Amino acid sequence: EVKLMQSGGVVVQPGGSLRLSCAASGFTFDDYAMHWVRQAPGKGLEWVSLINWNGANTYYGDSVKGRFTVSRDNSKNSLYLNMNSLRPEDTALYYCAKLAGHDGIDIWGQGTMVTVSS
Amino acid sequence: SYEMTQPPSVSVSPGQTARITCSGDAVPKQFSFWYQQRPGQAPLLVIYKDSQRPSGIPERFSGSSSGTTVTLTISGVQAEDEADYYCHSADSSGTYWVFGGGTKLTVL
Repeated sequence: EVKLMQSGGVVVQPGGSLRLSCAASGFTFDDYAMHWVRQAPGKGLEWVSLINWNGANTYYGDSVKGRFTVSRDNSKNSLYLNMNSLRPEDTALYYCAKLAGHDGIDIWGQGTMVTVSS
Repeated sequence: SYEMTQPPSVSVSPGQTARITCSGDAVPKQFSFWYQQRPGQAPLLVIYKDSQRPSGIPERFSGSSSGTTVTLTISGVQAEDEADYYCHSADSSGTYWVFGGGTKLTVL
């Protein structure tokens, strides 16, 4: 079964740091670029980051650039999102997602809820 | 940065046709995608490469592109189609991705 399994939800204080993880199974992980997408409570989808198949190229949305870092370990079939200088407005459900090239995002993780609050 | 613009809401009666538009300057240069999201669920791809339908998606879902606008059309809308719909694409460089603000489809 093709699956993306994400780490559990967490509460962190403003200014804090966090690392999200996403474990892939059922497909050849290093064949695909991967997105991180978030959704604040009651709000729409927001693109966070994209990493290419080997991690050499990374891209970020304006709201997280300079604070978040995406990485991957293809030997462990895993994707990561390091989040620093967290703000209350970063509170959201974070999805990892498999980009099947021009065929779009075909697989989504179950999401990790991140709450930034004192 | 880059933006794609969708109407916040569309309402139709069962059996009618719903059209949801999404506008962006880079639409002529980049493929667009459409996702359906029901409450409490992860998004589901319903259209890729502007107009292609993934396997398992009903034929009543179709997509088209003209100028700087892409359109998701749902023909013969059913109650189960009530959901939020998001367009997704990249800027002309292909390195900055965005989602449209989302359109809530209400089936009256």
